[in-house]
Amino acid sequence: ILNVEQSPQSLHVQEGDSTNFTCSFPSSNFYALHWYRWETAKSPEALFVMTLNGDEKKKGRISATLNTKEGYSYLYIKGSQPEDSATYLCAFFSGGYQKVTFGTGTKLQVIP
Amino acid sequence: NAGVTQTPKFRVLKTGQSMTLLCAQDMNHEYMYWYRQDPGMGLRLIHYSVGEGTTAKGEVPDGYNVSRLKKQNFLLGLESAAPSQTSVYFCASSKTSGTSETQYFGPGTRLLVL
Repeated sequence: ILNVEQSPQSLHVQEGDSTNFTCSFPSSNFYALHWYRWETAKSPEALFVMTLNGDEKKKGRISATLNTKEGYSYLYIKGSQPEDSATYLCAFFSGGYQKVTFGTGTKLQVIP
Repeated sequence: NAGVTQTPKFRVLKTGQSMTLLCAQDMNHEYMYWYRQDPGMGLRLIHYSVGEGTTAKGEVPDGYNVSRLKKQNFLLGLESAAPSQTSVYFCASSKTSGTSETQYFGPGTRLLVL
């Protein structure tokens, strides 16, 4: 069982604040890292698929970076809005699609 | 497009009963997956399929069987349910290999085994 950790477990921010959280994973046997956004009572929704060291991806106010050599990825949200409230999951692939380890998520609450 | 759908949404079983969870996707995806979600743990892969007629074991396959007779459907079976199988089950699909391709998830099936 691989160790994939997400921090913090939860956080509350004020509307308009920018925030970031971390996904840490083993630095060996890296294949890919996925980020998902998971709203309560809905399905996880893919945000980013990251495969190369140094990758930076952006979608609107949300961006992500990847450092495979040191085993971490950051997810940034600029100017948080209440609709950003969700749990953000990362999934680490250490081999093929069957060798996936999900983190337990960071639960974000944006206070209006 | 409905995307990925799952039936039923919720089910209560008694220990020893059997049931089948159905996952259907209308995106013509080759790859399909079954995960379970337990409190305090990340999603864990139960079984997966890389195409019609093929299935393989994931991280936690014991107590489950699967079938993929049609490309669009992936069935998860519990032959003799146990309380340890109380969980939320998610199905997902991807166009090709799930490492570099987006996985699309269904809404989940909540299963309670008494």
